[in-house]
Amino acid sequence: GENVEQHPSTLSVQEGDSAVIKCTYSDSASNYFPWYKQELGKRPQLIIDIRSNVGEKKDQRIAVTLNKTAKHFSLHITETQPEDSAVYFCAASTLSGNNRLAFGKGNQVVVIP
Amino acid sequence: EPEVTQTPSHQVTQMGQEVILRCVPISNHLYFYWYRQILGQKVEFLVSFYNNEISEKSEIFDDQFSVERPDGSNFTLKIRSTKLEDSAMYFCASTRDSYGYTFGSGTRLTVV
Repeated sequence: GENVEQHPSTLSVQEGDSAVIKCTYSDSASNYFPWYKQELGKRPQLIIDIRSNVGEKKDQRIAVTLNKTAKHFSLHITETQPEDSAVYFCAASTLSGNNRLAFGKGNQVVVIP
Repeated sequence: EPEVTQTPSHQVTQMGQEVILRCVPISNHLYFYWYRQILGQKVEFLVSFYNNEISEKSEIFDDQFSVERPDGSNFTLKIRSTKLEDSAMYFCASTRDSYGYTFGSGTRLTVV
């Protein structure tokens, strides 16, 4: 099955700086890559996703890039704010029927005011 | 914005007891899922449900687990005889198009 690896496990950034989280996946058939933000004790919330037919997608301060050849994708958060502090999970799946998501282990992002 | 609702938010049960976790997916969604997250670890897939039947299940979803959609709105996860290692946060999720999941707020299951 799909195996998603996520690095680094913890990332501390100064407020206003950028944060980048990288994920790799193993199954070349995967074609859908969402990112979830999870605040302590709360549900994972979808913040951005990308399909394999595009290389980059941006939504305000958040962007995701995908390199299908290397089988990795990254989340970029610019102008970080304290409310960006959370655990971020990447995931991968094939958009066919079940769309079972394979999650990475998560990154704890800490934005230092 | 429509939500996936889960009840109860926290369930404490004795080892060996049966528990039923309840979920109400978003009404026009077609795909339903259960995931679990052991404290501090990643979210793990348990089972997917489509067209009134299980479409896929993971190795975690053994004979002790079952799912039902009894009345067209609720979606339940039953654990027949709970073990200590079943302690986790259980998330229900639904989607209309098989992407863009909406997760519920979760049920924290504590087995003692």
